[in-house]
Amino acid sequence: EVKLVESGGGLVQPGRSLKLSCAASGFSFNDYWMGWVRQAPGKGLEWIGEINQDSSTINYTPSLKDKFTISRDNAQNTLYLQMSKLGSEDTAIYYCARAKFLYWGQGVMVTVSS
Amino acid sequence: DIQMTQSPSSLPASLGDRVTITCRASQDIGNYLRWFQQKPGKSPRLMIYGATNLAAGVPSRFSGSRSGSDYSLTINSLESEDMAIYYCLQHNEYPFTFGSGTKLEIK
Repeated sequence: EVKLVESGGGLVQPGRSLKLSCAASGFSFNDYWMGWVRQAPGKGLEWIGEINQDSSTINYTPSLKDKFTISRDNAQNTLYLQMSKLGSEDTAIYYCARAKFLYWGQGVMVTVSS
Repeated sequence: DIQMTQSPSSLPASLGDRVTITCRASQDIGNYLRWFQQKPGKSPRLMIYGATNLAAGVPSRFSGSRSGSDYSLTINSLESEDMAIYYCLQHNEYPFTFGSGTKLEIK
């Protein structure tokens, strides 16, 4: 069974950084692109970016490219999202997803507030 | 960026109705269009891929179609479990972009 489990969310102060993790199991992690999507409270889905199998190609939505960094550790079957200079606009549920979005994690909430 | 204009934003409907949701792409995306269903407090669920293909486990009352730059999701004979928010996604070109969502609710 494919499982994606996000962690690392919580309350963070404006301007600080936070790193999310997504633990994958049930499939050959290093065979797939992986990505992140977020959803602000009561709002729609926003694609953040995705990373290829060997981390040689990473694509981001332009507005987040300078704040967010996607990485992965294939030995640990884990995807990461490093977020910096966080603002209230980054308050959202963050989902990891396997390539082409067939499988999603349950999401992790990030709240940016003082 | 490719804009996906989704309509309507809200769709009141009755059980048994046939409903259609549409996304219009601002540029050519071929058939690189997916539809998702999201219920409150849940992760999105893939319903349609390649504009017209039903994802595994999705009931056959769901279907996807394309007419030029317009992509549609149709649900025949609406059931209570179909009440949710539906999103389209283009993944033809980076950055991938979602439609703004359609909330399907009981009239």
